[in-house]
Amino acid sequence: GQNIDQPTEMTATEGAIVQINCTYQTSGFNGLFWYQQHAGEAPTFLSYNVLDGLEEKGRFSSFLSRSKGYSYLLLKELQMKDSASYLCAVRDRNAGNMLTFGGGTRLMVKP
Amino acid sequence: EAGVAQSPRYKIIEKRQSVAFWCNPISGHATLYWYQQILGQGPKLLIQFQNNGVVDDSQLPKDRFSAERLKGVDSTLKIQPAKLEDSAVYLCASSRWTGAGHTDTQYFGPGTRLTVL
Repeated sequence: GQNIDQPTEMTATEGAIVQINCTYQTSGFNGLFWYQQHAGEAPTFLSYNVLDGLEEKGRFSSFLSRSKGYSYLLLKELQMKDSASYLCAVRDRNAGNMLTFGGGTRLMVKP
Repeated sequence: EAGVAQSPRYKIIEKRQSVAFWCNPISGHATLYWYQQILGQGPKLLIQFQNNGVVDDSQLPKDRFSAERLKGVDSTLKIQPAKLEDSAVYLCASSRWTGAGHTDTQYFGPGTRLTVL
């Protein structure tokens, strides 16, 4: 099976930088996804990492270390609209390439 | 490009009643997923279709849940009879099939919020 851990809640200030960590254990790692989910809405795709390193997309970056089973999502220049849950999901080739989601990290951005 | 469509958006039923949800995936997406998301948790996969065939339904409670995708496009998920613990958001997602056992990024619909009283 898979085990995906991420903090339950985080709080940060508008304009600041926040890093949301995700650790995972899986037998057939085949990619890690980050999704953003605003309350009452569907998850929306943010980023995808399959090789080690940093992927940058505007204010959002995602990092992966396969040897450590670790990823983080970095949000820069935080805006109030970034208040949402951030879901880490891992794809496992030994489980039919299905996605398993972590419980999500609820981020609150304060003025 | 139109996104994943789901209906209804909200449903309230009493326990032991039946309910059905509908999903229309993004055009051209061969793979369709149904997830259950309980409040405060991440989505949990219930069933995955590749065209009209089931790829995985290992986490689907088959005594009460059923799903079909008869023509390889739209899908329905049914619960009969519903229990209190079925209260959740039911999310449909779709992705392209890229071959060799790989699927592309999953895109989610708005979900159906089910309340069982």
